[in-house]
Amino acid sequence: DTAVSQTPKYLVTQMGNDKSIKCEQNLGHDTMYWYKQDSKKFLKIMFSYNNKELIINETVPNRFSPKSPDKAHLNLHINSLELGDSAVYFCASSQGGATVVDTQYFGPGTRLTVL
Amino acid sequence: AQTVTQSQPEMSVQEAETVTLSCTYDTSESDYYLFWYKQPPSRQMILVIRQEAYKQQNATENRFSVNFQKAAKSFSLKISDSQLGDAAMYFCAYRSTGNQFYFGTGTSLTVIP
Repeated sequence: DTAVSQTPKYLVTQMGNDKSIKCEQNLGHDTMYWYKQDSKKFLKIMFSYNNKELIINETVPNRFSPKSPDKAHLNLHINSLELGDSAVYFCASSQGGATVVDTQYFGPGTRLTVL
Repeated sequence: AQTVTQSQPEMSVQEAETVTLSCTYDTSESDYYLFWYKQPPSRQMILVIRQEAYKQQNATENRFSVNFQKAAKSFSLKISDSQLGDAAMYFCAYRSTGNQFYFGTGTSLTVIP
């Protein structure tokens, strides 16, 4: 049983295109996240989102936008792709809530290559 | 703002030996959680171990244990009886009471046969 899944696993596209990465979790969690991992393996949070609140890392360009059709899904839309967007993108989920013992569960990652 | 520092970009260990990966963090909170994640070449992020800050007892999961020093804001991971499958990137992470996660820059562990 896959807890957090992402599609596609690999995405190769041209500069200037618009693309989406899908994420689904079947853990019943309230909070989902998107991370970007660059070529140096540095993991940087982009968004965290639950039913109540979207928290955006202020360094994320507004070309990136999360879309959540329901609690189990948080898709990442990227407009006008740039070379610097090439990275591995991870989706994650957690139970959420400040008083809950919480662990993030990660998806397998999507390797995005912008040509 | 919370920060997580892993000062060892790379570490190596002989198979069956013990290795310790260091992690320090900066916070003004008293309640928080700390994690170690493993990322093998498959890229999947795998939870290794978790520690609640209010617990004085160090967490242990089979061959993995932590040395949690709250006053020093230190959270090191000890891997005993290292196996080839332990080779991976290891990330230390901090979770705040506001449910924000902060990750360190990672330590690449090589296991030498």
